[in-house]
Amino acid sequence: NAGVTQTPKFRVLKTGQSMTLLCAQDMNHEYMYWYRQDPGMGLRLIHYSVGEGTTAKGEVPDGYNVSRLKKQNFLLGLESAAPSQTSVYFCASSYNGPTRDFGPGTRLTVL
Amino acid sequence: AQSVTQPDIHITVSEGASLELRCNYSYGATPYLFWYVQSPGQGLQLLLKYFSGDTLVQGIKGFEAEFKRSQSSFNLRKPSVHWSDAAEYFCAVAHSTGGGNKLTFGTGTQLKVEL
Repeated sequence: NAGVTQTPKFRVLKTGQSMTLLCAQDMNHEYMYWYRQDPGMGLRLIHYSVGEGTTAKGEVPDGYNVSRLKKQNFLLGLESAAPSQTSVYFCASSYNGPTRDFGPGTRLTVL
Repeated sequence: AQSVTQPDIHITVSEGASLELRCNYSYGATPYLFWYVQSPGQGLQLLLKYFSGDTLVQGIKGFEAEFKRSQSSFNLRKPSVHWSDAAEYFCAVAHSTGGGNKLTFGTGTQLKVEL
């Protein structure tokens, strides 16, 4: 079991560029989540999905879009990156409970 | 709305000393409580969780936590800290056991271990 994997691990963007972060899990989990982690602010939920084909907004959804076309994948998109989106992004999944399995993170810098 | 407070941003302890990390939550009903640990450059790993029952819960790596409803606290403890415990620790609270529910994290406590 690879668990939760994230691609890429690091990325540098210029303001206005777009990119997609990929999260994959091989545990047949129904629920998937995207968080961002900023110093002194803990983890904040961006978007989540309760099953294939579903998405929902979290605490800080503005500037991000998500898709869950396949149960095992959850994509996070930035259409026009801004410096305020410089952060570490974590994907997580869960089967049927609040416990989360986390990926290793993606460190994104927007110049 | 539920919230979590970790009052200590940084804590430094000597190797072999005991450790207590504080966590206070705000939620009207029965909370579901968690402690996660994040080593540098890594994702979060679950240390332990409390859903119901015995208020003293044991976790991995020799950690334990005690739920005290009267104090709205869920403090993490370890009797003897090892240098490898240096990491950031996050307390979190959920309001149900459903997978789609909101899991609210505290801002974290950075633990430094002096040799």
